[in-house]
Amino acid sequence: DAGVTQSPTHLIKTRGQQVTLRCSPKSGHDTVSWYQQALGQGPQFIFQYYEEEERQRGNFPDRFSGHQFPNYSSELNVNALLLGDSALYLCASSLLTGAGETQYFGPGTRLLVL
Amino acid sequence: AQTVTQSQPEMSVQEAETVTLSCTYDTSENNYYLFWYKQPPSRQMILVIRQEAYKQQNATENRFSVNFQKAAKSFSLKISDSQLGDTAMYFCAFMDNNAGNMLTFGGGTRLMVKP
Repeated sequence: DAGVTQSPTHLIKTRGQQVTLRCSPKSGHDTVSWYQQALGQGPQFIFQYYEEEERQRGNFPDRFSGHQFPNYSSELNVNALLLGDSALYLCASSLLTGAGETQYFGPGTRLLVL
Repeated sequence: AQTVTQSQPEMSVQEAETVTLSCTYDTSENNYYLFWYKQPPSRQMILVIRQEAYKQQNATENRFSVNFQKAAKSFSLKISDSQLGDTAMYFCAFMDNNAGNMLTFGGGTRLMVKP
């Protein structure tokens, strides 16, 4: 049973560019959440997708956007990259049951903005 | 907004000994869930243990157990018989089921298990 997968593993961009990160959820899961983890800090919630719609959003600017596809996979897009966007981006999947679902994390994508 | 605080940035323990990691949280909600996640140097976040706030019994998973004190808003993790593979960052996380299923994480505790 494949777990959560993310691509790419590493990415280097320059300021002002745009980036797309991808996530495939664990088999049987229908909900995808994205988190940003700056170096030495705990992850911060960006947003969550369910049934191809953004279900909840954290305190991140509109430069951060996402998408969920019919097969439940998801993309995170970041426009107009800033140096401060350098971080580990984690995707987590879960099954929406309305009862505090456990989230399972992928290995992350390390983004470096120069 | 909920906050999660881990007051021990770094800890170390000898192999085979027991260590306790602290976590406190702040919420006005009554229905919530608490988690401990482990993030080894390979960086994949792994679930260690989960606790439902409505359950009085402390959760256990093999060598891992929690001390959940709801009134004190405390959720500590005890690791018994520590192993070298337990070396990792440990994150405490809170989920308020009434506000969606986002996780709020603490800042983490770096645990080093020494041989």
